[in-house]
Amino acid sequence: GAGVSQTPSNKVTEKGKYVELRCDPISGHTALYWYRQSLGQGPEFLIYFQGTGAADDSGLPNDRFFAVRPEGSVSTLKIQRTERGDSAVYLCASGKEPTDTQYFGPGTRLTVL
Amino acid sequence: GDSVTQMEGPVTLSEEAFLTINCTYTATGYPSLFWYVQYPGEGLQLLLKATKADDKGSNKGFEATYRKETTSFHLEKGSVQVSDSAVYFCALSHPYSGGGADGLTFGKGTHLIIQP
Repeated sequence: GAGVSQTPSNKVTEKGKYVELRCDPISGHTALYWYRQSLGQGPEFLIYFQGTGAADDSGLPNDRFFAVRPEGSVSTLKIQRTERGDSAVYLCASGKEPTDTQYFGPGTRLTVL
Repeated sequence: GDSVTQMEGPVTLSEEAFLTINCTYTATGYPSLFWYVQYPGEGLQLLLKATKADDKGSNKGFEATYRKETTSFHLEKGSVQVSDSAVYFCALSHPYSGGGADGLTFGKGTHLIIQP
């Protein structure tokens, strides 16, 4: 595709619910990253995939957060038992290879009521 | 751990003024340094980057020089335009070394407002 796309653009959910956020990277990009951006802050790294495997998940805040990339293309970030503190913009980025420039998607704004 | 510190905003300037946005970092080894920009209603875009000491990144009239001795990567532009109004993020990452790449570490962002 022309760029990284993310769906939905906005997600409102209630505390305790489960949510899935989707990222479609640029075609052919093997590296995929998830970040979380809270209001007034810079993006914070969550997890990095090289191909299908999570090469670095050190940024995931706790075990309620999980991400998959089963076919090495689309990725889904999954959040269980959402909390109000999870409210943020979740950004996805992809790169041709790990050392390449990261290209960001428009983000999904998650609001937990 | 790694960290990036950039000047607090908002920064308000008149059109054609000289711009400096300060950025300093703390990191092990030899990180790559980046400036990303987020225009209103748009996603993050790479503005420029430098991968080793004394390198100068440049794009769209913006420049930044990788200064290892002062651990800085200040963003400059000689004459700003209204269209430069955006949020600017300084960031760093460590090159892939066989042990795995890592994500970008960002500063908090500086909101730049250019008035006509």
